[in-house]
Amino acid sequence: AQSVTQPDIHITVSEGASLELRCNYSYGATPYLFWYVQSPGQGLQLLLKYFSGDTLVQGIKGFEAEFKRSQSSFNLRKPSVHWSDAAEYFCAVLLRGSYGGSQGNLIFGKGTKLSVKP
Amino acid sequence: DTEVTQTPKHLVMGMTNKKSLKCEQHMGHRAMYWYKQKAKKPPELMFVYSYEKLSINESVPSRFSPECPNSSLLNLHLHALQPEDSALYLCASSHAGRGNYEQYFGPGTRLTVT
Repeated sequence: AQSVTQPDIHITVSEGASLELRCNYSYGATPYLFWYVQSPGQGLQLLLKYFSGDTLVQGIKGFEAEFKRSQSSFNLRKPSVHWSDAAEYFCAVLLRGSYGGSQGNLIFGKGTKLSVKP
Repeated sequence: DTEVTQTPKHLVMGMTNKKSLKCEQHMGHRAMYWYKQKAKKPPELMFVYSYEKLSINESVPSRFSPECPNSSLLNLHLHALQPEDSALYLCASSHAGRGNYEQYFGPGTRLTVT
């Protein structure tokens, strides 16, 4: 069955330190992968996406993610964390429609809460 | 502009009330979605509309009734809800058809059922 695993429930990093959030997926075909960020009580903001091509994708707010098919992973990284990055981060895989269209079900991981120490 | 708007921001309703949630986008997207998110959980898909037609219903109880009156608007009609239906309801939209398209989310409606 298709699934997304985020092994870390909560991560705390110091401001200015580097960050890596882990994501592993299980999907039979080529996955379409996403990272979203959610501040408390807010909607989800798309950070970046992977559909195909270059396995290192750049996103907004200085985030990047690397797709590794051999490890079924799509880890999110940032070289220097800012206090405003504190939020919940969700990795997701898209289950495509039966007719091949891309409108379908986003399967989310359980999320990783990021706290930032001053 | 990648904005999806949702109204109201907060809603408190009794179990016998009828209310509606509204979602709007002007990005030309022809796929729209309703997700439900319980506290400290990831969003879960409820419904998908594609070209204004319901294409996915994830076995949602009939007390939730979606409607897509045009390509920019998506409503969720609520009737006889239960306290366990209290959650953040998120609307999203994307391009439709064959291709690779990301979903853009609105800020959500925080629903409390008393």
